[in-house]
Amino acid sequence: GAGVSQSPSNKVTEKGKDVELRCDPISGHTALYWYRQSLGQGLEFLIYFQGNSAPDKSGLPSDRFSAERTGGSVSTLTIQRTQQEDSAVYLCASSPDRANSPLHFGNGTRLTVT
Amino acid sequence: RKEVEQDPGPFNVPEGATVAFNCTYSNSASQSFFWYRQDCRKEPKLLMSVYSSGNEDGRFTAQLNRASQYISLLIRDSKLSDSATYLCVVFTGAGSYQLTFGKGTKLSVIP
Repeated sequence: GAGVSQSPSNKVTEKGKDVELRCDPISGHTALYWYRQSLGQGLEFLIYFQGNSAPDKSGLPSDRFSAERTGGSVSTLTIQRTQQEDSAVYLCASSPDRANSPLHFGNGTRLTVT
Repeated sequence: RKEVEQDPGPFNVPEGATVAFNCTYSNSASQSFFWYRQDCRKEPKLLMSVYSSGNEDGRFTAQLNRASQYISLLIRDSKLSDSATYLCVVFTGAGSYQLTFGKGTKLSVIP
């Protein structure tokens, strides 16, 4: 079946511009996570959504970052006024409606801010 | 103590060798554990779950030691294709969606 789909796969933007990254989770998965990974570094948690519950936004690094999940499916991560330090791979993952379930990752969006 | 800790490596081993990685966790209430594999510039992929009784999948064996709060991954008969970074994942508490990734252990299998 289809896995987690992310778009675009690559995005180059100028400093100060806004960007939107999209994640389409596996059908039926209620939990959705966003992470980012800088080159050679570990995964940094950003935000997660679980069903209709309020999202856990505790990992968002600044108020320039926001995310939404419409209809419990597709999610969009928005970064406003991008900075060079935002350059990283942004990974989305989803998991089924069972706690302690493993995550399934998309291919990621490689963001480069010039 | 960090929530989840791994030796970053790199572990450089010859083909055919056996290699083991450990991952320690700080929260004694942690319930579920997994190993992921991440190839260079790729997304993490689930390698295997870690069960209390230990589990094996071909050349890979995962074990959990609750008393000492660590999980381990053993790779036997290493292949060149095993070269990757191995991440441990720990879920915090029962019925939880809260999880923590280790920073990964890099393995290089050398011809």
